[in-house]
Amino acid sequence: EIVLTQSPGTLSLSPGERATLSCRASQTVSNSYFAWYQQKFGQAPRLLIYGASRRATGIPDRFSGSGSGTDFTLTISRLEPEDFAVYYCQQYTSSLLTFGGGTKVEIK
Amino acid sequence: EVQLVESGGGLVQPGGSLRLSCAASGFTFSSYWMHWVRQAPGEGLVWVSRINSDGSTTHYADSVQGRFTISRDNAKNTLYLQMNSLRAEDRAVYYCATGNSGYFQYWGQGTLVTVSS
Repeated sequence: EIVLTQSPGTLSLSPGERATLSCRASQTVSNSYFAWYQQKFGQAPRLLIYGASRRATGIPDRFSGSGSGTDFTLTISRLEPEDFAVYYCQQYTSSLLTFGGGTKVEIK
Repeated sequence: EVQLVESGGGLVQPGGSLRLSCAASGFTFSSYWMHWVRQAPGEGLVWVSRINSDGSTTHYADSVQGRFTISRDNAKNTLYLQMNSLRAEDRAVYYCATGNSGYFQYWGQGTLVTVSS
């Protein structure tokens, strides 16, 4: 099983600031089979990024994904009020899919 | 519009069984892998199981292997999760989800399973 470790656990920022979220895999994630999700309280997750860097349909361009191998990053260039939420990374390179533990982006 | 609607959650005693369903519409159900993902209250997302388009291939997380069974009925556009030998730690909201490859473009609203005596 590929273990995904997200950091930091909580990110305290102000609207307009840049957010950088990290996710490290215990093994190489081949073919960039890597995704990011946003989840707000009481809602199902929403796909943001797949293929490590491809934005899902309807996702604003302030969200970007990068990385390969074992280190991946989600960047929110300028935080909007609606971006304060929990973010999860996910790998789908192995038959047993796994998620990271999540990063909460909260208002400072 | 793609819709995934879970049902079948509820309160069950430890050691008991429950079957979840997920009714799909708005896409060609029989062409997609389908998944179950769960989330314990206040915790993160955990992938549970997946099944390929014709039901011939299944995978399970270690935590549910041997206790849960995923299946599908393509004629009814419905996904199932049979959960046996339920434990307190199985308490969670269970989501069905799907998408291309192994990422999840579409999610249901979830159904809550509570395991308690």
